[in-house]
Amino acid sequence: GENVEQHPSTLSVQEGDSAVIKCTYSDSASNYFPWYKQELGKGPQLIIDIRSNVGEKKDQRIAVTLNKTAKHFSLHITETQPEDSAVYFCAASIGDYKLSFGAGTTVTVRA
Amino acid sequence: ETGVTQTPRHLVMGMTNKKSLKCEQHLGHNAMYWYKQSAKKPLELMFVYNFKEQTENNSVPSRFSPECPNSSHLFLHLHTLQPEDSALYLCASSPGGPGNTIYFGEGSWLTVV
Repeated sequence: GENVEQHPSTLSVQEGDSAVIKCTYSDSASNYFPWYKQELGKGPQLIIDIRSNVGEKKDQRIAVTLNKTAKHFSLHITETQPEDSAVYFCAASIGDYKLSFGAGTTVTVRA
Repeated sequence: ETGVTQTPRHLVMGMTNKKSLKCEQHLGHNAMYWYKQSAKKPLELMFVYNFKEQTENNSVPSRFSPECPNSSHLFLHLHTLQPEDSALYLCASSPGGPGNTIYFGEGSWLTVV
């Protein structure tokens, strides 16, 4: 099955700086890559996703890039704010119902 | 408000108890899921239902028993659990079909004592 690795496991950034989280996947047939944000005491919420026919997607301060050749994708958060502090999960699927998730990155934005 | 509602939010049960987790989605989706989230581990898919039919059982022990009476409701029946089953149990739904976005509920925190 699909194996998704996520790095780093923890990330501390100064408010206003950028944060980057990287994920790799094992199955070259994967074609859907969502990112979820989980705040304390809540369920994961989709923040952005990308499909394999696109190399980059941006939504305000967040962006995702996909390198199909290298089988990795990344989340970029610019101008970080305290409310960006959360656990972020990447995931990959091969076009069916089964998302495989990374282990998560705990992001802390220091004021 | 995510459109996926889980009850109860918190549950403490003994190893000999029988309890159930309930999930309801108001999004008109056709697929529903149970995930288990333990500390420091990736989200683990437990069960998938598509149009009320179970399409995935990810080698889950029989002490967890899912039930999907219709496309909007999903239950997870629990009996004779172990302390290591303590975790956050997340329900999710998706429209169904390839590459569909999954929407999660807030989760049910389960503690087995």
